[in-house]
Amino acid sequence: AQSVSQHNHHVILSEAASLELGCNYSYGGTVNLFWYVQYPGQHLQLLLKYFSGDPLVKGIKGFEAEFIKSKFSFNLRKPSVQWSDTAEYFCAVASWGKLQFGAGTQVVVTP
Amino acid sequence: GAVVSQHPSRVICKSGTSVKIECRSLDFQATTMFWYRQFPKQSLMLMATSNEGSKATYEQGVEKDKFLINHASLTLSTLTVTSAHPEDSSFYICSAREGTGVGETQYFGPGTRLLVL
Repeated sequence: AQSVSQHNHHVILSEAASLELGCNYSYGGTVNLFWYVQYPGQHLQLLLKYFSGDPLVKGIKGFEAEFIKSKFSFNLRKPSVQWSDTAEYFCAVASWGKLQFGAGTQVVVTP
Repeated sequence: GAVVSQHPSRVICKSGTSVKIECRSLDFQATTMFWYRQFPKQSLMLMATSNEGSKATYEQGVEKDKFLINHASLTLSTLTVTSAHPEDSSFYICSAREGTGVGETQYFGPGTRLLVL
């Protein structure tokens, strides 16, 4: 069955620390990959997306993600987080026009 | 980026009544919109795909007679929860798809919190 796995459910880190959130998927064909963020009380916003080309994708707010086809992974990274990065992060895979989401990772950044 | 709105943002209704939720793409046309349900502390679960000018397609386990979807124009889809019951209380989120094929991207509305008493 097709699935999207996010390895960490909760991450707590201090400001200025580096962040990496894992995402693995199991789809056989061509996929489009996304990371969305949901800040407290707000709606889902697109952070970045990968369709083709350079596997290192840069998104908004200093985030980037790397598509590694051989590992079926699309990990999200940020070198130095801020308190305002506290949010829930969702990895999603689009296949046949539909999005399937991972379970989400709650990230808490402490001052 | 593309903007999607939902109305209302929250609604409280009595058991047995029907509730309509609107989803609008404000600055682009969307032939396809999606309706999701999000349970507390959980991810989004796709309920149905709303297609402009044709019937919606529902995911397995979603009752099409309970969750009526109408996509009357390229910027508006509505979800009607019919004969709502307390177990229908949830956070309903819509998205609108911009583009088609390789570059397509879904943009999400702010969600509607439904509480059925």
